[in-house]
Amino acid sequence: EPEVTQTPSHQVTQMGQEVILRCVPISNHLYFYWYRQILGQKVEFLVSFYNNEISEKSEIFDDQFSVERPDGSNFTLKIRSTKLEDSAMYFCASRNQGLGPYEQYFGPGTRLTVT
Amino acid sequence: SQKIEQNSEALNIQEGKTATLTCNYTNYSPAYLQWYRQDPGRGPVFLLLIRENEKEKRKERLKVTFDTTLKQSLFHITASQPADSATYLCALEAGNAGKSTFGDGTTLTVKP
Repeated sequence: EPEVTQTPSHQVTQMGQEVILRCVPISNHLYFYWYRQILGQKVEFLVSFYNNEISEKSEIFDDQFSVERPDGSNFTLKIRSTKLEDSAMYFCASRNQGLGPYEQYFGPGTRLTVT
Repeated sequence: SQKIEQNSEALNIQEGKTATLTCNYTNYSPAYLQWYRQDPGRGPVFLLLIRENEKEKRKERLKVTFDTTLKQSLFHITASQPADSATYLCALEAGNAGKSTFGDGTTLTVKP
């Protein structure tokens, strides 16, 4: 069964450093998302991406964040200068297009720890 | 502001019983409502989706109802098993493949 994959599974970085989280969505999907979940809290939407551009973003997704689909398979989230409060699980998700609605498939997540 | 509440943080039931989880929302008119399962340290796993014009959806031992007048969804697991122990999340969507807004989740423990 096709699945969303994410790398790395765990990333430790120092405050102020840049990180890139990588995702490979399901191959025939066209909508892509990043969510995050701070330990013990709810899953929060960050950004959605369709047709090579951001379709929606939340207040959390400020100028320190960016997304890119550099090729036909990868979808990345970059945090330019990490802060302690960026420590969280980051989930990538994708869904198909069509008459819909289509279910959203999540990856296993990347645990980001900022020290 | 939009608010999604899931009935309780934790629900404990005996194996074989039916688990019923509640999702209430305010200041929102979702086109779709989804239920996910999340195990510790893992990503949410899609279970069921129900549209605003549907009253009920079933999948094996799972059943979801959606009442847009009450602004409430009920999620039932019949003949529950210890393997059903997990956190269950409800999520609302306005439609058009937009973002999902999640509730806090209910942690279900099924005791043998």
